[in-house]
Amino acid sequence: QSVLTQPPSVSGAPGQGVTISCTGPSVGSPYTVHWYRLFPGAAPQLLIYSDSSRPSGVPDRFSGSRSGSSATLAITGLQAEDEAVYYCQSYDLSHVLFGGGTKLTVL
Amino acid sequence: EVQLLESGGGLVQPGGSLRLSCVASGFTFRTFAVNWVRQSPEKGLEWVSAISGGAGSPYYADSVKGRFTVSRDNSKNIMSLEMNDLRPEDTALYYCARQPWGVASNGGWFDSWGQGTQVTVSS
Repeated sequence: QSVLTQPPSVSGAPGQGVTISCTGPSVGSPYTVHWYRLFPGAAPQLLIYSDSSRPSGVPDRFSGSRSGSSATLAITGLQAEDEAVYYCQSYDLSHVLFGGGTKLTVL
Repeated sequence: EVQLLESGGGLVQPGGSLRLSCVASGFTFRTFAVNWVRQSPEKGLEWVSAISGGAGSPYYADSVKGRFTVSRDNSKNIMSLEMNDLRPEDTALYYCARQPWGVASNGGWFDSWGQGTQVTVSS
């Protein structure tokens, strides 16, 4: 069982926005959170690093934030191709930690 | 373009061994830490191992420590994972993933990933 907790699933209609939460003792300061999305058969993609920074090439529809021991990935203007599994990542003194993953369904 | 290409996966019996490889291209391999991360339906993503650019101080998840050994050959741009005493719970898609600096770090993110190689441990 993961020490980073994510909701198993979220959904939204095209054009709408959704948020995915990531909570746990390794989400609060000084730890930072990173976000990825996984499509079946494709390489995972980094979406957000260090809580809220976006790599080049990632649309600004994706944003990250952190408050206390909770981090959030927000996706606006949902598109069909956003349907994927999203993971948060943090760490503790000696481990890299991943959340359990959240399946995003675009209705 | 950064590329990571894994190979070496397959079907193996419990207690058996496999050697995975990750071939890198499109960047100066020796200056980046690289990791193995696996994905299974039961556990989702799970970090396995890391090795710094200079090949020093490899790190392992508790679940594989003593059974897996990571290494790299910077002259050939290859990272390898020797897996021994394999167990059914090691069944997963194994990814090679790069960290954006030279020293492996728990807090680092993975900015480039391969497409993975499947390992299945079953009798």
